[in-house]
Amino acid sequence: SAVISQKPSRDICQRGTSLTIQCQVDSQVTMMFWYRQQPGQSLTLIATANQGSEATYESGFVIDKFPISRPNLTFSTLTVSNMSPEDSSIYLCSVATTAAYEQYFGPGTRLTVT
Amino acid sequence: QKEVEQNSGPLSVPEGAIASLNCTYSDRGSQSFFWYRQYSGKSPELIMFIYSNGDKEDGRFTAQLNKASQYVSLLIRDSQPSDSATYLCAVNEAGFQKLVFGTGTRLLVSP
Repeated sequence: SAVISQKPSRDICQRGTSLTIQCQVDSQVTMMFWYRQQPGQSLTLIATANQGSEATYESGFVIDKFPISRPNLTFSTLTVSNMSPEDSSIYLCSVATTAAYEQYFGPGTRLTVT
Repeated sequence: QKEVEQNSGPLSVPEGAIASLNCTYSDRGSQSFFWYRQYSGKSPELIMFIYSNGDKEDGRFTAQLNKASQYVSLLIRDSQPSDSATYLCAVNEAGFQKLVFGTGTRLLVSP
């Protein structure tokens, strides 16, 4: 499986500000995904990031709030914009390395908004 | 709305016993099924996947799939305290690359 890193690993931010989370993979991958996991809950898919095209957002998530970039096959960013305490969560990127559906997760970014 | 359901637990088993984790899904078109293990404070780790009806074994883990009943299970033999974690079932949404995750079952293995 691919080696995936995320930066930052954690951050504490003030409401109204924005944070950009980076996801780097050590090999080229077709699909990258961004998830949110709130305390004690399961994973919620925010969007699918495709290289060379706009991200595909899930219901309840919009580009203005969660802009995503995918400039190449090994890197993606997720920005959490105009943050509120409700955005406090763990944000995870995952990758699918083949045409199959297996996904592998990065270590996550723990965000606290005060 | 595609759904994946799991009992939240905790499921408590003694060390050395077999732990049985269950998952049902709503999308009849799903073709790929996954089990992830998530330790507290860590990200999910893929431990098993299964695509065909029947059993798939990997070490102490066995995944079982019954598409007719829309049921997936994970058996952990000779459970160890290090197996204590939350186990997430995930299913691909038919026609899409994305996965739908269950809420997870917390497993506690006592020495």
